[in-house]
Amino acid sequence: NAGVTQTPKFRILKIGQSMTLQCTQDMNHNYMYWYRQDPGMGLKLIYYSVGAGITDKGEVPNGYNVSRSTTEDFPLRLELAAPSQTSVYFCASRSGGALRPLYGYTFGSGTRLTVV
Amino acid sequence: AQSVSQHNHHVILSEAASLELGCNYSYGGTVNLFWYVQYPGQHLQLLLKYFSGDPLVKGIKGFEAEFIKSKFSFNLRKPSVQWSDTAEYFCAPRAGKSTFGDGTTLTVKP
Repeated sequence: NAGVTQTPKFRILKIGQSMTLQCTQDMNHNYMYWYRQDPGMGLKLIYYSVGAGITDKGEVPNGYNVSRSTTEDFPLRLELAAPSQTSVYFCASRSGGALRPLYGYTFGSGTRLTVV
Repeated sequence: AQSVSQHNHHVILSEAASLELGCNYSYGGTVNLFWYVQYPGQHLQLLLKYFSGDPLVKGIKGFEAEFIKSKFSFNLRKPSVQWSDTAEYFCAPRAGKSTFGDGTTLTVKP
């Protein structure tokens, strides 16, 4: 089924460990995003990408890194996990470009990360 | 499945006009609803959210929304819009449960 696929769904990390959250979309969307959502809060943008090879920081990039080597994949890397990174992480994509309008966001199902 | 729908895709207003953007949701259980705004060239920002309690929710920049359970609605309002309110507005459930809708583009003419 077309959409945004995130893995894993759940993960527990120890402080200082690293991991990569995977995100893949098969809709040929140009724009991809990583958000985190803390309890009772809205989404906060971590990183985004407007196309393969192009990434940029969002509101809360510290402690994270991304890459976009293909249109389909947009992995999020945590290098040294900290308790403050305990959150639910959502990958999203959106179509659009210079000559095309932007349509709605499609979100993955999320990754619940706990750092202990 | 949880879903929301927004009635208008494009709204054009003059400055100082009142704004109401419609949003209807269609899921049961615990209702968490958000309104996000995306200004030109920027990314999603949270305007306000409803989790429980007072159905009239006040957000940033003078926006408010009222959760009306009987109407399955969560409309966004602002008494007097400004040119700087030109943006896309998204009503959304909690991310991951559904796809955000196409949103409503608001253009405010000076």
